[in-house]
Amino acid sequence: SQQGEEDPQALSIQEGENATMNCSYKTSINNLQWYRQNSGRGLVHLILIRSNEREKHSGRLRVTLDTSKKSSSLLITASRAADTASYFCATERENNFNKFYFGSGTKLNVKP
Amino acid sequence: DVKVTQSSRYLVKRTGEKVFLECVQDMDHENMFWYRQDPGLGLRLIYFSYDVKMKEKGDIPEGYSVSREKKERFSLILESASTNQTSMYLCASRQGTRFQETQYFGPGTRLLVL
Repeated sequence: SQQGEEDPQALSIQEGENATMNCSYKTSINNLQWYRQNSGRGLVHLILIRSNEREKHSGRLRVTLDTSKKSSSLLITASRAADTASYFCATERENNFNKFYFGSGTKLNVKP
Repeated sequence: DVKVTQSSRYLVKRTGEKVFLECVQDMDHENMFWYRQDPGLGLRLIYFSYDVKMKEKGDIPEGYSVSREKKERFSLILESASTNQTSMYLCASRQGTRFQETQYFGPGTRLLVL
């Protein structure tokens, strides 16, 4: 499969704790994107990191990318109950514009 | 704000019926996509379109066709619905031709084929 894999599949934490999700992929990429999906809804884009970038921040989100290991991580700091959702990574392969490969997602539950 | 709308949130059809799923975006995006989402499998790309009347197959095009007659509208067609096409269908759009552009998703259509 060309798809990425997220790890863990499910994560349950208390409000205020940090949540870390990992994504691994198989082929060379142009970029990697993280999305959030609230139950039964569409996906919302969170952050994009290019293959020549190693780390990116957006508010409480921190994304790292290690192209040598073909892996990425998403860190949500000081989590809130509203962060409860599924999180997906998506890769866009080099020289393959518009062909996105999504992982199966991490289901995050933040308990108040 | 980009808005991507899908014609139905829930749809129930019978095996063998022809099914149309419609998607409309209001931001003049060149690229539009159809995915299906199944538990444990993530999103899988069915088809995408990079211009009016232009389309390319994704990973799982079998049993589906698409139509893009106007820039803002992208339709997914199930020629003869089957029970294994029961799924959540998500439409997305994307600006331009640069790799760093992101996708914007619609709310999804949950299709049940009986």
